[in-house]
Order: sequence, then structure tokens, then C-alpha cells
Amino acid sequence: AQSVSQHNHHVILSEAASLELGCNYSYGGTVNLFWYVQYPGQHLQLLLKYFSGDPLVKGIKGFEAEFIKSKFSFNLRKPSVQWSDTAEYFCAVNSDRGSTLGRLYFGRGTQLTVWP
Amino acid sequence: DGGITQSPKYLFRKEGQNVTLSCEQNLNHDAMYWYRQDPGQGLRLIYYSQIVNDFQKGDIAEGYSVSREKKESFPLTVTSAQKNPTAFYLCASSMPALADTQYFGPGTRLTVL
Repeated sequence: AQSVSQHNHHVILSEAASLELGCNYSYGGTVNLFWYVQYPGQHLQLLLKYFSGDPLVKGIKGFEAEFIKSKFSFNLRKPSVQWSDTAEYFCAVNSDRGSTLGRLYFGRGTQLTVWP
Repeated sequence: DGGITQSPKYLFRKEGQNVTLSCEQNLNHDAMYWYRQDPGQGLRLIYYSQIVNDFQKGDIAEGYSVSREKKESFPLTVTSAQKNPTAFYLCASSMPALADTQYFGPGTRLTVL
């Protein structure tokens, strides 16, 4: 089975600081990669995804992520965070094999707290 | 207004009782999923269904059951065999293609007393 590692469990930043959240996955085959965000009291929603092409992917609200195949990584970045970015962030990898086609494997999540 | 609905938002049950959580979608998606979310553990897959009348166990299926009689509906039953049922349950749906996004419902918080 695939696994997804998010190394930062809780990140605390001040507004305007830069953000980078790490995500590594274990699977060596074709992957599709996702970052989801869960704002307090809201649905889990897609932030951005990578499935092919340019490894630098831009998402909503100024977020971007870079797929580095050789490092099995898909780190999330934002140059300047805002208080409204306070949320829990989840990295996920898609399976491309057999009966598990289409299922997602999630990391444990990173809670981001931004102080105004 | 398309989306996924889960009801109720909060659910309380006594220990030893089975309880069924509802999940309905009007997105015309073929695939549906049930996840359990616990603090610090991310989302863990309970069951998923790629098509009507078919479903597969996920990583933590013990103590749970599902049915998929209609494309729009994927109810989850938490049975008395589930040792630690108190959790936040999330339903999702997608088209089954590899790169398709999963869309999530608002979740049901189940508390077993």
C-alpha cells in the first residue's frame, strides 16, 4: 500500500511569513498528487492537484506546490501567509492500480496557525 | 445546487446500538467513499464504491458496513462491533478516473455514550 508522510504536525507562523509544508509519498509508479485544506467549520476542499505536465502547480489563494519525482515529494508553499490561512492541510496520493484505482491515500495532516 | 449532503451533523448514540449515517450526492459521480477523521491521524478510508451494487473495504472496515443500491446514496452503518466509534465521518464522491478530484460532504460527528 502507498503511504504519505507529512512531517510537520503543527506549524505556527506570523502573518506575512513564508510557508512550506512537506509531503513525501512511498509509491514509485505513476502518481497523482493533491493538497486539500480544511478551514475551521468548513468542508474539506481541494487546494491544488498535480497529474501531469509542469511540476510546479498553482492553486487557489496563492498556494503552489512542486512535484519532485526523484525525491517523492510534493511540498506546499505560499510566499506570504494570512490569518485566514489558518486551517488543517492534507496531502494525498492517488492509486493507479487494479481494484484500488482512484482511491486516495492521505497524510496525517498539518495544522497551520497564523497569528495576526 | 450540486453537492454532497450528510445528515445529521451531530449524532449521539448509546453504546451497543447500530447507527446509520446518510450520504447523498447529486453530482452524478460514480464513485463514493467513506472516511473517518481522528485528530492527528488524517483521513482513513473505511469503504469505497466505484459503481452501484459494488463496494470494497478500505483500511479500517472492521465494525462498519455499507450498501450502494443507488448511484446517489452510500449509507454507512456503524455497528456495535466497532470498538471506538466516536469520530468525525466524512463522505466523498468522484468520477472514478485516476486524476479526478474527490468532493467532500460536511461530515457527521458521531458520539457514542
